[in-house]
Order: sequence, then structure tokens, then C-alpha cells
Amino acid sequence: EDKVVQSPLSLVVHEGDTVTLNCSYEVTNFRSLLWYKQEKKAPTFLFMLTSSGIEKKSGRLSSILDKKELFSILNITATQTGDSAVYLCAVKDNNDMRFGAGTRLTVKP
Amino acid sequence: ETGVTQTPRHLVMGMTNKKSLKCEQHLGHNAMYWYKQSAKKPLELMFVYSLEERVENNSVPSRFSPECPNSSHLFLHLHTLQPEDSALYLCASSQWRETYNEQFFGPGTRLTVL
Repeated sequence: EDKVVQSPLSLVVHEGDTVTLNCSYEVTNFRSLLWYKQEKKAPTFLFMLTSSGIEKKSGRLSSILDKKELFSILNITATQTGDSAVYLCAVKDNNDMRFGAGTRLTVKP
Repeated sequence: ETGVTQTPRHLVMGMTNKKSLKCEQHLGHNAMYWYKQSAKKPLELMFVYSLEERVENNSVPSRFSPECPNSSHLFLHLHTLQPEDSALYLCASSQWRETYNEQFFGPGTRLTVL
């Protein structure tokens, strides 16, 4: 059965900490893996990953994909209170897009 | 401003009502999506329209009926819903490609079924 599993489900850190969010997947015809940030409203796109070992970076956020071990990580360095959100991982196969349950990140001042 | 708008933003309806959700995208995309986000479940893909044809529906109950009259507009018609259908309904659009699927989301419609 195809599935996307994120861990941890929730995480509380203090400003300035570095966090690593995990996403593992099992899908039959993998095409791409996407990370989204969801605050109070709709998700906003962060990264799309299709190739193993190539790090995508945007400011303090970075992500990498391992297609052999079937997982991706999302790193956030020097966290800020504005990083508090649910981070969603989604995997696209030939036809479908499957989301994980998300990691709820809380960054305290 | 995301370029994807949804109306209404909030909707309260009884189980016997019929209502419709509307989504409009101004990004020139050719694929549109309906998602359901319940309070304690992962985001669920409901319908995909690519080039105005429905490509899958993921076994969504027939009380949800999508309509895509053109590449810019998407509707979700609702009838005889159940209280468990209360959720945030998100619309998204993208440029349909084989592997690249960056989706842009609307703000969602918060639906409450009494």
C-alpha cells in the first residue's frame, strides 16, 4: 500500500535552534516529492525534489531526497517564531499525489 | 495573493441543502484540484482536472460532484452531505506535466455541515 509517513508529528523548539523534519514514503511509481508549509490557511509550496542527493536551498530552509532509502528531510536553521506551522510532505506518482500527516512545528521565543 | 481564489470562504449548511463551492485561477494553468482537509487527517486529494477532463476521483462519495467548465474555473457541487464532511476544502492549480507538479493553493472554504 502506498504511504507517506512524516516524523515527528509535533516538535517544540526555541528560536535559534536547528530542526530536521523527516518524510519517508512507499509509492509504486515515484515521480517527485514536495514540501509545503501550512499556517492558518492553505499550504504554500517550499521545494520539489526529483533527484537523489541534490540539496535544494532557500534561505534558512533546505531539503534533500534519498531515492534509495525512500526518504527526504527538511532542515530549518536558526528557527524563528514565524517558522511555526505544519510542514507537509507530498509524493507524486504517475497519477496521484499523496500527503503525509504533517509535522507541527512550534518555535518559542 | 496567490492567484487562486475560492468562494465562499465560509459555508454552513444543513444535511438536506444543495450548495456549490467555486474556485478560480488567474495563473494560466491547465490543471485544477480539489482537496479536503479534515481536522485530524492528512490532506486528501478528491478530484483532478487536467485539460478540462477529469482524470481521477479517488473514490469520493457521489454527494460531491465536481465541474470544470474551462481551465480557469472549478466547482464542487454539494448535496445531502453528512456532518463528517465538515472540513476545509482547498482548491489548487498547476501546469500539468509528467513530473513537475508545483501546485498553487487557494485560501480554502471552511464548510460546516449541521
